[in-house]
Amino acid sequence: EVQLVESGGGLVQPGGSLRLSCAASGFTLSRSWMSWVRQAPGKGLEWVANIKEDASEKYYVDSVKGRFTISRDNAKNSLYLQMDSLRPEDTAVYYCARIPRLGESSPWYFDLWGRGTLVTVSS
Amino acid sequence: QLVLTQSPSASASLGASVKLTCTLSSGHSSYAIAWHQQQPEKGPRFLMKVNSDGSHIKGGEIPDRFSGSSSGAERYLTISSLQSEDEADYYCQTWATGIVLFGGGTKVTVL
Repeated sequence: EVQLVESGGGLVQPGGSLRLSCAASGFTLSRSWMSWVRQAPGKGLEWVANIKEDASEKYYVDSVKGRFTISRDNAKNSLYLQMDSLRPEDTAVYYCARIPRLGESSPWYFDLWGRGTLVTVSS
Repeated sequence: QLVLTQSPSASASLGASVKLTCTLSSGHSSYAIAWHQQQPEKGPRFLMKVNSDGSHIKGGEIPDRFSGSSSGAERYLTISSLQSEDEADYYCQTWATGIVLFGGGTKVTVL
């Protein structure tokens, strides 16, 4: 079955750190750009970060630049999000998502989503 | 500035049709978008990518009653023969170099 499964969420104090993981199965992670998208309670979807197939390019939303780091281990078919200096406004469900490969291009939309993992930043 | 605008809500009766609109900001009418469905308490699901010419690529196992189209800066998602399980939030999404954007979402209620 083709799926993405996130883990690593939990309760953390402001200023703390957390590392999210996303395990891919049913497809070869190394062939796809990957993303993290989040959703604050009762709010809409917000893109967080993208990473190229070989990790040579990474992009972030301005609000997390310098605090979050996206990475991947293609040998383990896994995607990660290291979150440092966490703030209450980072509280959200974090989703892992796949960007499709269409020939030689990878248009930045998401054709596969995980179920998400909840991160709560509170004292 | 690239922005996507969606109406906050829409409703239609069971078995009827509903057409959702996603409007691209001025100067961005050539952009493609993607539609995603989010049922209550679930993760999003990819429905389709819609190009500026109205052509679209659907996700796997998306029923035929979901269709996409375009006109100018507007991108549409039409749901025909509404089912109770179609009650959900629908988000449009686009991208440019270095950035991904979502619309605010439209909540569809099946009456």
